[in-house]
Amino acid sequence: AAGVIQSPRHLIKEKRETATLKCYPIPRHDTVYWYQQGPGQDPQFLISFYEKMQSDKGSIPDRFSAQQFSDYHSELNMSSLELGDSALYFCASSQWTGTETQYFGPGTRLLVL
Amino acid sequence: AQKITQTQPGMFVQEKEAVTLDCTYDTSDQSYGLFWYKQPSSGEMIFLIYQGSYDEQNATEGRYSLNFQKARKSANLVISASQLGDSAMYFCAMRLLTGGFKTIFGAGTRLFVKA
Repeated sequence: AAGVIQSPRHLIKEKRETATLKCYPIPRHDTVYWYQQGPGQDPQFLISFYEKMQSDKGSIPDRFSAQQFSDYHSELNMSSLELGDSALYFCASSQWTGTETQYFGPGTRLLVL
Repeated sequence: AQKITQTQPGMFVQEKEAVTLDCTYDTSDQSYGLFWYKQPSSGEMIFLIYQGSYDEQNATEGRYSLNFQKARKSANLVISASQLGDSAMYFCAMRLLTGGFKTIFGAGTRLFVKA
């Protein structure tokens, strides 16, 4: 079965640079979620999109922005990167069926030097 | 505000035995979903089981079952017949099913299965 695809899987950036993470949800899934997981931490909800519209916002820094495109893929744009942005970034997708189970992608491991 | 509490930072279990991982939650909403995820050392997040707040039966998925006690606001995960491959971090999570998509996670419980 198709799963959530994230690219790149690993990314190394310098401070103050920008990064773009991509997410391709499971086909026919209409909701995308972004999470940030720091080392030894639980995932923190950043933002979600339902049917290409932003549906909810969590602890996403102002330096970050995201959008969902017409083909339902989503991108998380991160600017002015800081050392503390080093983390595992997950994308998850779900379908409006009642259970709303979120299926996670493999994550993008970002290292900011 | 919603909150998930997992009070067991680490747990040990003997292979083939059952283990219960605790999760309590706090919300004033009546409509919510509770999830358990497994995160092995490789880092991926694997969905295990889901329980809706209106579900009267406890959810089961193979060796995983969820002991849902709504009045106590607890949603404990029971793993039966533990296997070495069950060694991982386990997260309990909650999403309100009305008015938003924000999902919160507990701090997690690291499970060690001993041979």
